[in-house]
Order: sequence, then structure tokens, then C-alpha cells
Amino acid sequence: QSVLTQPPSVSAAPGQKVTISCSGSSSNIGNSYVSWYQQLPGTAPKLLIYENNKRPSGIPDRFSGSKSGTSATLGITGLQTGDEADYYCGTWDSSLSAWVFGGGTKLTVL
Amino acid sequence: QLQLQESGPGLVKPSETLSLTCTVSGGSISSSSYYWGWIRQPPGKGLEWIGSIYYSGSTYYNPSLKSRVTISVDTSKNQFSLKLSSVTAADTAVYYCVAWYGLNWFDPWGQGTLVTVPS
Repeated sequence: QSVLTQPPSVSAAPGQKVTISCSGSSSNIGNSYVSWYQQLPGTAPKLLIYENNKRPSGIPDRFSGSKSGTSATLGITGLQTGDEADYYCGTWDSSLSAWVFGGGTKLTVL
Repeated sequence: QLQLQESGPGLVKPSETLSLTCTVSGGSISSSSYYWGWIRQPPGKGLEWIGSIYYSGSTYYNPSLKSRVTISVDTSKNQFSLKLSSVTAADTAVYYCVAWYGLNWFDPWGQGTLVTVPS
């Protein structure tokens, strides 16, 4: 049972848009920056979004992040088959004094 | 650019201590910008943060693992290490070493190393 709640899976057609939600509480998302990670099959996770909505160098602007209250959202537009991956949100939880991840969301591009 | 590489045994017997080392290249482990940490992923499951260390030795540990975890740093070798004691099959996972920037995000990640504890 993860502290941050993500949908187990989402799917959409190539070229379409998808959003992945990450729900938490005032002790984590409500009080800290959120980051997002993409894990392609068989590879290590990679930073996708940091500080809620910033993209590292090399990450296309098809990927976006937002935060409102105790929830965060990852958006992906212009879906490509290469976007099929597991996506994780993460943040610091001040009550637990621990970094917490969401359970992960598997994106399928149909 | 910064690169991290894990090393250590791929098989550990139950009740023994898992030991892994992460070598940092392309930058100094004494950088004031980073903590250095470990994250694990059991086969087919999600990510779990284990803990992190600053070059000065200051540490953060996951409360759920704290009693069994020790993370240390060797600035002379630009390395940091993980020890997890009294392992069981539930500790079987891919272990990643990571750079934790400003205590806000993890980047980059090592390629990961699978450690198996037979049941």
C-alpha cells in the first residue's frame, strides 16, 4: 500500500494525450515538491519532471507536470509507442521522514 | 556528466548481510548539491527508497528498514555503500544507487544490480 496513490494503468492511442494522477496528503505532496520518473521496460528509472513542473534537459515538452493541493498530475501529449513505460511519482513525506513513491502507472499506447 | 555504477554480490544467503557499493564518476561525491542514496525494486513491483547519505556522513533512512540499514561514504574513493543485515527472500530486488539533488529529486540513477536472496 503506497503512501501516494496512482492508477495502476492508463492507455491511449498514438498521438493522443494522457494524464496520470498522483494523490497524497498534506504531509507529502501538499508540503513538498513532486518529481516524476519514467521506467522503460528493462531499464533504470529516469527523471522526467522535477519541482512539480520542470523538465530536465533532453526531456521533450510533450511531458508536463502540475500540482494542486495534495495531488499532482503528469501529462503526456502526442503519445508515441516509445512512451510505453511505468511512471512513478515521488516526494518527501514530513510525517514519515521518508521519501515516498507512488505505486506506479503502466502506460500502454494502443 | 555524473554517472553512478553499482557493484556487489548478486546472491546473498538468508540471515546474512547484503553489501553493495556505488562508484561515482564525472563529479565529486563531496559536492554540496547532492545526497547519495539507494532505492530498490522487487521483481515486478514498485520503487522503495532505502536511505541516503551526505558526504559529511549525515544520513536519512527509511523508517521501515532503519534497524537493518547502514549507508556509508568514502570520499577518497568517490564511493558510497549500502549494508542491509539479516536479509530474507523479501529483500530480493534490483538495487539502484542514485544522486539525490537538493533532497528534491533523484538524478541520475545507476543501471541497477539484481540481488537475490533464496528462500
